[in-house]
Amino acid sequence: AQSVTQPDIHITVSEGASLELRCNYSYGATPYLFWYVQSPGQGLQLLLKYFSGDTLVQGIKGFEAEFKRSQSSFNLRKPSVHWSDAAEYFCAVGADKLIFGTGTRLQVFP
Amino acid sequence: DAGVIQSPRHEVTEMGQEVTLRCKPISGHDYLFWYRQTMMRGLELLIYFNNNVPIDDSGMPEDRFSAKMPNASFSTLKIQPSEPRDSAVYFCASSKQGFGANVLTFGAGSRLTVL
Repeated sequence: AQSVTQPDIHITVSEGASLELRCNYSYGATPYLFWYVQSPGQGLQLLLKYFSGDTLVQGIKGFEAEFKRSQSSFNLRKPSVHWSDAAEYFCAVGADKLIFGTGTRLQVFP
Repeated sequence: DAGVIQSPRHEVTEMGQEVTLRCKPISGHDYLFWYRQTMMRGLELLIYFNNNVPIDDSGMPEDRFSAKMPNASFSTLKIQPSEPRDSAVYFCASSKQGFGANVLTFGAGSRLTVL
């Protein structure tokens, strides 16, 4: 069965610091992987996706993620966090239907 | 494009009442999904449609929940009768599948409170 694990429920970083959010997945075939961001009271917005090809994918707002098949991981990174990045981040896997992780809440201190 | 439009944005009702949530997907999208978000269970897929046909409703919690998509531009999620444990944010999302996978566009959600 397909599943997604986001081991970090809550992460706090200082503005300007680097960020890495972890995501591990279980999927029976070639995975389609996604990161979404949710601001308070809003729906989810796509940050980036991996379908095939280059394992390092670039997304919006300066985010990137790297697919590592050997580790079943798709971690999200950003070299320098801005206060406006404070939100909840969801990793997802699937093709026809997406299964989401439980999310990581990011808090940014000035 | 106005995006995925959901109504109502907020609904407060009493236990036992019928609740109907509505969704207008993006024009041209052929997939429509209903998700429920709670603190305890996160984002759960309830049901999804392809070309107005329900494909997988295995996530629908019980018979009190039903969903319809009478045409390509409208879907409803109905709860009858509602219970306090149904309190959650319900999201509708739509997609046009490309490269073998769906990239979902979400609506802003309908926050349901059942007293």
